[in-house]
Amino acid sequence: QITLTQQAESLWISPGERVSITCRASQSLLYTDGKHYLSWYQQRPGQTTKALIYHASVRTDGVPTRFIGSGSGTEFTLSIEHVQPEDFAIYYCLQTLKSPLTFGSGTKLEIK
Amino acid sequence: QVTLKESGPGILQPSQTLSLTCTFSGFSLSTYGMGVGWIRQPSGKGLEWLANIWWDDDKYYNPSLKNRLTISKDTSNNQAFLKITNVDTADTATYYCARISQGHFDYWGQGVMVTVSS
Repeated sequence: QITLTQQAESLWISPGERVSITCRASQSLLYTDGKHYLSWYQQRPGQTTKALIYHASVRTDGVPTRFIGSGSGTEFTLSIEHVQPEDFAIYYCLQTLKSPLTFGSGTKLEIK
Repeated sequence: QVTLKESGPGILQPSQTLSLTCTFSGFSLSTYGMGVGWIRQPSGKGLEWLANIWWDDDKYYNPSLKNRLTISKDTSNNQAFLKITNVDTADTATYYCARISQGHFDYWGQGVMVTVSS
């Protein structure tokens, strides 16, 4: 199965700063259609899990433009520019290229 | 507006069968390309994918749960189901259903907590 590694368990930053969360896959997530099957999700306490990015870099409808997905092959990054108070949450990456689908272990964004 | 809501027994005993229902609105599981998946999360831990079912009744399962999983759907009533047989305490978790579209889970339910305890 494909393993996704989110190296940072926690990241401490101040509101207004920029942060990058990385996700490394054990094999390429590029499919023959030219798309990468890597998506990003946000979990906040008491809130429904929210999809942020799919195909590595496409923002889901309604997601603020400060959320930016990038990367290719096996290395992917979720960047958040000018972090807002509501962005302090846990972020997970997910690969849907091959079954079994696998999630990264999550990165918690914490207030410095 | 897409919504999903999970329901389940809350608590059950080891060796019993867990039956979960996902009731959704705003889309149809008979629409080409549409799917519903189940994901679970033990308290304080990460997410684990369990199974997907597609508009054409194609099904995929996480092999780590061996043959304990069965996913199904009732298209006319906008529901998807998941059964897990022979549960034990390791199956205690919050269970989510989510819509699959464009290669990702774009809408999630709020989750239902399930506790396995004797």
